[in-house]
Amino acid sequence: GESVGLHLPTLSVQEGDNSIINCAYSNSASDYFIWYKQESGKGPQFIIDIRSNMDKRQGQRVTVLLNKTVKHLSLQIAATQPGDSAVYFCAENLSGYSTLTFGKGTMLLVSP
Amino acid sequence: NAGVTQTPKFQVLKTGQSMTLQCAQDMNHNSMYWYRQDPGMGLRLIYYSASEGTTDKGEVPNGYNVSRLNKREFSLRLESAAPSQTSVYFCASSLQRSSSYEQYFGPGTRLTVT
Repeated sequence: GESVGLHLPTLSVQEGDNSIINCAYSNSASDYFIWYKQESGKGPQFIIDIRSNMDKRQGQRVTVLLNKTVKHLSLQIAATQPGDSAVYFCAENLSGYSTLTFGKGTMLLVSP
Repeated sequence: NAGVTQTPKFQVLKTGQSMTLQCAQDMNHNSMYWYRQDPGMGLRLIYYSASEGTTDKGEVPNGYNVSRLNKREFSLRLESAAPSQTSVYFCASSLQRSSSYEQYFGPGTRLTVT
């Protein structure tokens, strides 16, 4: 798991800051999107999802924004905590298919 | 519920050896998946099984075979391991409802081929 972070874009923030992680997706026909969090040595964990008929969805301390015009997805984390340090992946589902296509990930480092 | 379990957690193989990675889920999910994860490459789909009795190739199937043994279990076999197959392997499962394609992941198997 620790080797996952090699060569990834990295976002470094201070504890308490808001974080924004961006993702460009590839297929304009994708209609469902997910954000996953992967801590070192563990499997990815679901954070939040959004369908293409929405442009914003909020969870606990997280918000996902979807801009279909430019095929862009973002994950906003409010009041970032050291426990949020992880690699974050976006994934897209193409309508009619049962698979997800994952982005390469962004490493978030939160310092106290 | 244990969720998605994978065995073994770690494995070292010599080139040419074979092995089977085991995966089981107790969530009554229809679909199961095998991914590999390499540094800087994200998760790449090897094979998947949309439902019991079916399997399909993903993005990187060469050098692998799979078996959907029953609804719970989906195994990945390396017949003749190569150093290029050194990776972390994740199994995942999904209920495949039209409202959600969320996949649940196991803890991974870290495989080194020397």
